[in-house]
Amino acid sequence: EAQVTQNPRYLITVTGKKLTVTCSQNMNHEYMSWYRQDPGLGLRQIYYSMNVEVTDKGDVPEGYKVSRKEKRNFPLILESPSPNQTSLYFCASSLSPPIGTITDTQYFGPGTRLTVL
Amino acid sequence: SQKIEQNSEALNIQEGKTATLTCNYTNYSPAYLQWYRQDPGRGPVFLLLIRENEKEKRKERLKVTFDTTLKQSLFHITASQPADSATYLCADNNNDMRFGAGTRLTVKP
Repeated sequence: EAQVTQNPRYLITVTGKKLTVTCSQNMNHEYMSWYRQDPGLGLRQIYYSMNVEVTDKGDVPEGYKVSRKEKRNFPLILESPSPNQTSLYFCASSLSPPIGTITDTQYFGPGTRLTVL
Repeated sequence: SQKIEQNSEALNIQEGKTATLTCNYTNYSPAYLQWYRQDPGRGPVFLLLIRENEKEKRKERLKVTFDTTLKQSLFHITASQPADSATYLCADNNNDMRFGAGTRLTVKP
């Protein structure tokens, strides 16, 4: 089944304790991205990756890191989480980057609900 | 600044009626707009895409319009059902994907 998976689905942690949220897709998609979703603010892009070893900042990158060593995986790293990073996180992928007239739709993972105490 | 906005946070309608949701964009011209459905606690799911040179797109009970003069897209659900209750998001493609805040639709029996 074509899908985007994220782990963990739920995570409660404390300020400053490094964590990684994994994201994997089995569709051979080039483009992957991370979003956070907060009430009233909608989905905001954190980082995106056009292809292996190519990553770039989205709208809200502060406090996050990513890597794209393999095409299928795009982990999100919080080196020193803070309470303002408490949010619902989504990983997404598409065959091609959403640029110009390219119309590949994005497939989203199930989400990771993170609470930082 | 460039914005994509869904001004209605929530919309309540009666079953069988047509739901109309609005997405506005300012200070740029997207090549296309997409509409997604999101159920509570789940990731958005793609519904429809409409290009800037298309006036209207349909899929079963769904219809999307794109008015480049008004800088607006309308999303319609005809003969709405309680199962249509969800949050609906519009998104653009201005170099990266940007989403509106969403409109939470509730269809009452």
